[in-house]
Amino acid sequence: DAGITQSPRYKITETGRQVTLMCHQTWSHSYMFWYRQDLGHGLRLIYYSAAADITDKGEVPDGYVVSRSKTENFPLTLESATRSQTSVYFCASSESGATNEKLFFGSGTQLSVL
Amino acid sequence: LAKTTQPISMDSYEGQEVNITCSHNNIATNDYITWYQQFPSQGPRFIIQGYKTKVTNEVASLFIPADRKSSTLSLPRVSLSDTAVYYCLVGADNYGQNFVFGPGTRLSVLP
Repeated sequence: DAGITQSPRYKITETGRQVTLMCHQTWSHSYMFWYRQDLGHGLRLIYYSAAADITDKGEVPDGYVVSRSKTENFPLTLESATRSQTSVYFCASSESGATNEKLFFGSGTQLSVL
Repeated sequence: LAKTTQPISMDSYEGQEVNITCSHNNIATNDYITWYQQFPSQGPRFIIQGYKTKVTNEVASLFIPADRKSSTLSLPRVSLSDTAVYYCLVGADNYGQNFVFGPGTRLSVLP
């Protein structure tokens, strides 16, 4: 089915390890986004991408790396995970970055850094 | 960045109408106002969008006054399943930043 999928759904890792969260969308949307949501808090934008090979920082980019070699994929890498990066991570996409666009979200990845 | 302000939380009872107001004093001429709903353990989902006056769909209504400095999301006859966090988004100075979420309003519907 078409949509936006994230993997893995749950991930446990240790401090200092590298971990990559995957996001794949089948709509050929230009824009893709990564958010984190800490328990009881709102969503914070980490990085976004306007197209393949174009990425930009959001509100909280430190400690994260993104890439977008293909339109449909937007992986998020924690190069050296820290406990403060324990969170739920949501990927989203939209056709463009205009204010009348709708965001479509994945189901999220719950990451625990021990 | 057109910052938004919403109440942090609201309580309601089943069957009541709920109105959540979002303030966006610095909204730009070409900005739309979009509301999302987020249930626990799920990503947000779009519920309604408007530019001016009133918009209604099968889920909610959105009221926007002429000056567009605020908007009100109206949920008719809420049920327990409407318990969620509701986010109001408006535009920003550049694409990508148009999708910065605020803390949202946590609506609790009580039996």
